[in-house]
Amino acid sequence: GAGVSQSPSNKVTEKGKDVELRCDPISGHTALYWYRQRLGQGLEFLIYFQGNSAPDKSGLPSDRFSAERTGESVSTLTIQRTQQEDSAVYLCASSLEVLAGGRETQYFGPGTRLLVL
Amino acid sequence: GEDVEQSLFLSVREGDSSVINCTYTDSSSTYLYWYKQEPGAGLQLLTYIFSNMDMKQDQRLTVLLNKKDKHLSLRIADTQTGDSAIYFCAESSLPNYGGSQGNLIFGKGTKLSVKP
Repeated sequence: GAGVSQSPSNKVTEKGKDVELRCDPISGHTALYWYRQRLGQGLEFLIYFQGNSAPDKSGLPSDRFSAERTGESVSTLTIQRTQQEDSAVYLCASSLEVLAGGRETQYFGPGTRLLVL
Repeated sequence: GEDVEQSLFLSVREGDSSVINCTYTDSSSTYLYWYKQEPGAGLQLLTYIFSNMDMKQDQRLTVLLNKKDKHLSLRIADTQTGDSAIYFCAESSLPNYGGSQGNLIFGKGTKLSVKP
């Protein structure tokens, strides 16, 4: 079966422009996560969706960042008025429903490499 | 806040064993993971261990957990050139604040170079 897919794989944009990144999770996975990986850094958690619950946006670095998810499928991460420090690889992951007190393996997509000039 | 530390680089010769170390600060960490990232590819889950375990072995991979010292290691036996990648240690804990149950805390990754 298909894994997590992301598009575009690479994006170059000018400072101040808006960008939209897309994630297609594994079919049937109700949990979806966005992470950011800056050069030479570990992954930073950005946002988490679980079914129809309100998303956990606690990791979003500023109000220029927002994310949407349509039901239990595609998610888009939008960065408005991009800045050079937004340059990073943006990774999406999905997992089966996270049960209370439990843990489900996260499967990662290949990432979108964003470069803001 | 939680923190996960790893050395940035490790170089070994083909056929030798590799040991990648990781330390974490969150004493409530319940699940500890090792991910592998090859160039241009997404993160691949290699193995994980629950905090009530000391060791887990999976083919060439051995994970050791010292919960008292909050130290995790990944040993790759008979390292091959195909093992060259960045290896990320990650931890997660059960939620106690009603927020996300899912986010992982990652280290910066250890770049493993395997020389023929």
